[in-house]
Amino acid sequence: NAGVTQTPKFQVLKTGQSMTLQCAQDMNHEYMSWYRQDPGMGLRLIHYSVGAGITDQGEVPNGYNVSRSTTEDFPLRLLSAAPSQTSVYFCASLTRGAGELFFGEGSRLTVL
Amino acid sequence: ILNVEQSPQSLHVQEGDSTNFTCSFPSSNFYALHWYRWETAKSPEALFVMTLNGDEKKKGRISATLNTKEGYSYLYIKGSQPEDSATYLCAQYSGGGADGLTFGKGTHLIIQP
Repeated sequence: NAGVTQTPKFQVLKTGQSMTLQCAQDMNHEYMSWYRQDPGMGLRLIHYSVGAGITDQGEVPNGYNVSRSTTEDFPLRLLSAAPSQTSVYFCASLTRGAGELFFGEGSRLTVL
Repeated sequence: ILNVEQSPQSLHVQEGDSTNFTCSFPSSNFYALHWYRWETAKSPEALFVMTLNGDEKKKGRISATLNTKEGYSYLYIKGSQPEDSATYLCAQYSGGGADGLTFGKGTHLIIQP
């Protein structure tokens, strides 16, 4: 099992560009989520999904879109990147029972 | 307690010493309590997931206890080693997916050789 695979690991964007962070899991978890980590802010939930076709907003959803067409994949889209979106992004899947999180390796995004 | 609170925020411990830190959480809507270890430049990894009042779990030199009635959990590290240096996050889970997770801000542990 690869667990949660997240790409790319690093990306530099210019303001206004768009991009997609990819996330895939092979553990057949129904629940998936995206977080961003900023200094002094801890982990903040961007969007989450409780199953294929179902997504919802977390604490900081503005500027991001998600979709969940399959159980395995949960991509995060930045439609028009802004410097405030410079951050480290983590994708995670959760077990249905006790909600244990399995994280991807993280994606460091810099928006100039 | 409305939020998940961890103390202390940071901790310097001499190699070989034992240490412990605290996670306090709301005792209502409780489903599980998670502890994660988060090393610099890596992603968080689960240490323990506990659901029952009185749970005690152990992994090597690290152990954790849970008191759901009073809303706290302790994490203990025995004989600290440099590789224990990390941020330790706790999170309360009240069910329903990622929206049901509330994280503390973490305890940043530095082990000094």
